Amino acid sequence: KAGVTQTPRYLIKTRGQQVTLSCSPISGHRSVSWYQQTPGQGLQFLFEYFSETQRNKGNFPGRFSGRQFSNSRSEMNVSTLELGDSALYLCASSLVLAGDTDTQYFGPGTRLTVL
Amino acid sequence: SQKIEQNSEALNIQEGKTATLTCNYTNYSPAYLQWYRQDPGRGPVFLLLIRENEKEKRKERLKVTFDTTLKQSLFHITASQPADSATYLCALDRGNKLVFGAGTILRVKS
Repeated sequence: KAGVTQTPRYLIKTRGQQVTLSCSPISGHRSVSWYQQTPGQGLQFLFEYFSETQRNKGNFPGRFSGRQFSNSRSEMNVSTLELGDSALYLCASSLVLAGDTDTQYFGPGTRLTVL
Repeated sequence: SQKIEQNSEALNIQEGKTATLTCNYTNYSPAYLQWYRQDPGRGPVFLLLIRENEKEKRKERLKVTFDTTLKQSLFHITASQPADSATYLCALDRGNKLVFGAGTILRVKS
């Protein structure tokens, strides 16, 4: 079974631009969560989607948004990029609600650099 | 607010020894706790889950304990190998989402 895939793997943008990251969960997994990982803040929860609905949201500004499609694939968008948005963005999928007793499977991440 | 603390300094041990990593938390009583391993440039990989009513869980060379009174989990790797070198993250459930600790870097030297 193929794992979680994320595209692109690396991205360089400049301040003020916007970016869209994509995540394909493991086949059959309906929950997709997004995390931001930085050296200073560690792994922080952005949001979680289940059956095309956002079920949980972390403490990030409205510039961070996401969506999930009927095939469970998910995208996250960051608008008006800031230098502080430079991070590794990780997507994780699970069979049921993320954070439940079900295991989360992480993708390799997208490394975003904002110049 | 909820706080999760893991050893901030890297743990350096000799091959063959037992590595013990600590995860402490405050202001919350999680129903379960998970441990993940993360290698540089890669996403975390799930290792073990332990529930609040379980004291100990084992998987091959790995052992996790969960003390809800002390609000602490210990993660042990016995007979450690250089290949065990990685960052280890603990994560607590927080109402349908996971909250991660900052992680502890483990270095196993041969």
